[in-house]
Amino acid sequence: DAGVTQSPTHLIKTRGQQVTLRCSPKSGHDTVSWYQQALGQGPQFIFQYYEEEERQRGNFPDRFSGHQFPNYSSELNVNALLLGDSALYLCASSPTLYARVLTFGAGSRLTVL
Amino acid sequence: AQTVTQSQPEMSVQEAETVTLSCTYDTSESNYYLFWYKQPPSRQMILVIRQEAYKQQNATENRFSVNFQKAAKSFSLKISDSQLGDTAMYFCAFIDFGNEKLTFGTGTRLTIIP
Repeated sequence: DAGVTQSPTHLIKTRGQQVTLRCSPKSGHDTVSWYQQALGQGPQFIFQYYEEEERQRGNFPDRFSGHQFPNYSSELNVNALLLGDSALYLCASSPTLYARVLTFGAGSRLTVL
Repeated sequence: AQTVTQSQPEMSVQEAETVTLSCTYDTSESNYYLFWYKQPPSRQMILVIRQEAYKQQNATENRFSVNFQKAAKSFSLKISDSQLGDTAMYFCAFIDFGNEKLTFGTGTRLTIIP
């Protein structure tokens, strides 16, 4: 049973560019959340998707956007990259809304130069 | 706003010993969940243990147990008979009933010494 898979695992971008990160939830899960983990910090909630809609959003600017597809997979897009966007981006899935049982992926490490 | 504080940035203990990691949190909510997650060098966040605030009994999972003190807003993790594979970052996290956002602490880096 595959868990949460994320791609790519590592990527390097330059300031001002745009990036798309992808996430496939665990089988049987329909809710996806994204977290940003800066070096030496705990993860920070970006947003959550359920039924292809953004259900809740953390304190992140509009440069961060997302999408959920009918097969429950999700994308995180970041526009106009800043050096401070360098971080590990974690995707987590859960069986449904309010399940409080999150399964995390191994993350995508983004470096902005 | 909810906050989670882990006051021990790093800890180390000999293999087979017991270690306790501390966590305090702040919330005005009465119903919530608390978690301990482990993040090894592989980066994947792994759930260690979960506690529902309405349950007075402390959660246990094999060698892992918690001491949940709701009035003091304290949630410590005890690891018994520590093993080399327990070496990792440990994060305390909180989520309340009306929310979908997990709030994490800054983590404790635990090293098990052979």
